[in-house]
Amino acid sequence: NAGVTQTPKFRILKIGQSMTLQCTQDMNHNYMYWYRQDPGMGLKLIYYSVGAGITDKGEVPNGYNVSRSTTEDFPLRLELAAPSQTSVYFCASSYLTAGVPGNTIYFGEGSWLTVV
Amino acid sequence: RKEVEQDPGPFNVPEGATVAFNCTYSNSASQSFFWYRQDCRKEPKLLMSVYSSGNEDGRFTAQLNRASQYISLLIRDSKLSDSATYLCAVNIKEGYQKVTFGTGTKLQVIP
Repeated sequence: NAGVTQTPKFRILKIGQSMTLQCTQDMNHNYMYWYRQDPGMGLKLIYYSVGAGITDKGEVPNGYNVSRSTTEDFPLRLELAAPSQTSVYFCASSYLTAGVPGNTIYFGEGSWLTVV
Repeated sequence: RKEVEQDPGPFNVPEGATVAFNCTYSNSASQSFFWYRQDCRKEPKLLMSVYSSGNEDGRFTAQLNRASQYISLLIRDSKLSDSATYLCAVNIKEGYQKVTFGTGTKLQVIP
């Protein structure tokens, strides 16, 4: 059982470039999330999805886009990369909606992105 | 006031010591609370949920104080392997769809 798999692990982007962070989970979870974590900061929710075809904005969606065409995949698209998007990105999934008592959010191993 | 607030630490404690962290939250209507553990350059992993009556898992005890709006994590008999950052998570907004994470408290257990 792979859990949540995200790629790439590391990437350096130039300002203005675009890229897609891939995320897939094999736990048949309906709920999927993208977070970013900056040094000394908490995890900030970028986008989330409650099922295939349904996505919604989190706290910090500007500069990002997502799609959810299948239950398994939830790619994050960065358009026109900016230095402010230098961060560690975590994809995550859960069986129940995030805040249900006793629920577990499973995270991928993270993608380290640097924009120069 | 931040929605979820934690002392960043670091808390440097000797092996075998007992250490406790608190996490305060702003919304008195919050209903679900969690502690996650994050090792350096790794993903967060759920340590335990926090229930109203308090709950224990081995050397770890989590408690909720609704009156003062904080949750706590107590670690007894600290091990070197407990060294990590501990993140609290709380559902701040109405409903259960999202949780807000704190910035984490760093624990370093010293031999």
